[in-house]
Amino acid sequence: GQNIDQPTEMTATEGAIVQINCTYQTSGFNGLFWYQQHAGEAPTFLSYNVLDGLEEKGRFSSFLSRSKGYSYLLLKELQMKDSASYLCAVNQAGTALIFGKGTTLSVSS
Amino acid sequence: KAGVTQTPRYLIKTRGQQVTLSCSPISGHRSVSWYQQTPGQGLQFLFEYFSETQRNKGNFPGRFSGRQFSNSRSEMNVSTLELGDSALYLCASSGTKGRSYEQYFGPGTRLTVT
Repeated sequence: GQNIDQPTEMTATEGAIVQINCTYQTSGFNGLFWYQQHAGEAPTFLSYNVLDGLEEKGRFSSFLSRSKGYSYLLLKELQMKDSASYLCAVNQAGTALIFGKGTTLSVSS
Repeated sequence: KAGVTQTPRYLIKTRGQQVTLSCSPISGHRSVSWYQQTPGQGLQFLFEYFSETQRNKGNFPGRFSGRQFSNSRSEMNVSTLELGDSALYLCASSGTKGRSYEQYFGPGTRLTVT
């Protein structure tokens, strides 16, 4: 079967670092996406990992371990505007993109 | 560079009708994906088109169909609408920029079925 798990909610303070984990069980893995979505808005693409390792893009980094079925999104120097839902999605080769339920991150001052 | 555009932005239909939604991708992008988002089910993948061919398909009934034109613009059609089809329908265009993958979502079409 296919299953994607990520925490439902997380809280952090401005300036801190937060790591949002995502574990998955799918067949025919073909890459993993991370998205940010603010309430009432369309999602924003953050990263796409196909190979193992860490990819850094400014304050955001994404890590993938295919053998462990595990990824994380790392957000550094948190800002209030980072309060949003973060979605992990797995590209299942030849078929579909499977989404997790999302992690709601609340950043406080 | 113009973003992804979707039309219409809002739509109200009654059960049994059909609807066609349109998505214009970013210039140069050849892939268009469609998603349905509801409060209960979250974001779900419908299908992806690349160079006028359906490349991937999610787990939706045959009432949901799509196509892509030679200019990469895509349409999504839902026939025999049901109340449960009320949702935000998002499209995203994707492509490569150098060696990097990029993807951008449109603002969505809010469909209400009464």
